[in-house]
Amino acid sequence: AQTVTQSQPEMSVQEAETVTLSCTYDTSENNYYLFWYKQPPSRQMILVIRQEAYKQQNATENRFSVNFQKAAKSFSLKISDSQLGDTAMYFCAFMKPTQGGSEKLVFGKGTKLTVNP
Amino acid sequence: DAGITQSPRHKVTETGTPVTLRCHQTENHRYMYWYRQDPGHGLRLIHYSYGVKDTDKGEVSDGYSVSRSKTEDFLLTLESATSSQTSVYFCAISGLTDTQYFGPGTRLTVL
Repeated sequence: AQTVTQSQPEMSVQEAETVTLSCTYDTSENNYYLFWYKQPPSRQMILVIRQEAYKQQNATENRFSVNFQKAAKSFSLKISDSQLGDTAMYFCAFMKPTQGGSEKLVFGKGTKLTVNP
Repeated sequence: DAGITQSPRHKVTETGTPVTLRCHQTENHRYMYWYRQDPGHGLRLIHYSYGVKDTDKGEVSDGYSVSRSKTEDFLLTLESATSSQTSVYFCAISGLTDTQYFGPGTRLTVL
């Protein structure tokens, strides 16, 4: 079974600075997807970024980028120019795609990020 | 934003009563999921559906049942609610890209 570990329960960063959230996972699969989701105080789960394991290039979405190290099974999220609105829980998630169907997401326990003014 | 709604958004009920949560989508996506979120556990899959009348169990399915009679609706039923089912419940949908998009969540309290 796949597992996802987020080793930092809480982090804080000053506004406009850069912060990196860590995620490691365990799998024997070669083909899979990795995700970062953001959950602000509103409780809504919001997709931040997605990475396909077969792609060597790290995914980026505006101020959000990942460092995907497949051999090390590491998938960290970097937030540049942090903004107050980035304050949220961040969840790392793993998914193994199946032929003809979709699969469940396996979530880490989350990292609570606080951006300070 | 994906067109996903959940109802009710909040519910307080008593132990032993039946409860049904509804997830409604306007995206015509094939796959729908129910997760629960508890402190220290992240989100865990309860049940999922891969088509009308096609459902399967997730990792925490005991005490829950689901039904999907239409593409747009996925119902989660607690036949006899227990205090351990106090949680926040999320519905999610996915289509061809395999990316899952989540509804706003339902906070359920079982007294």
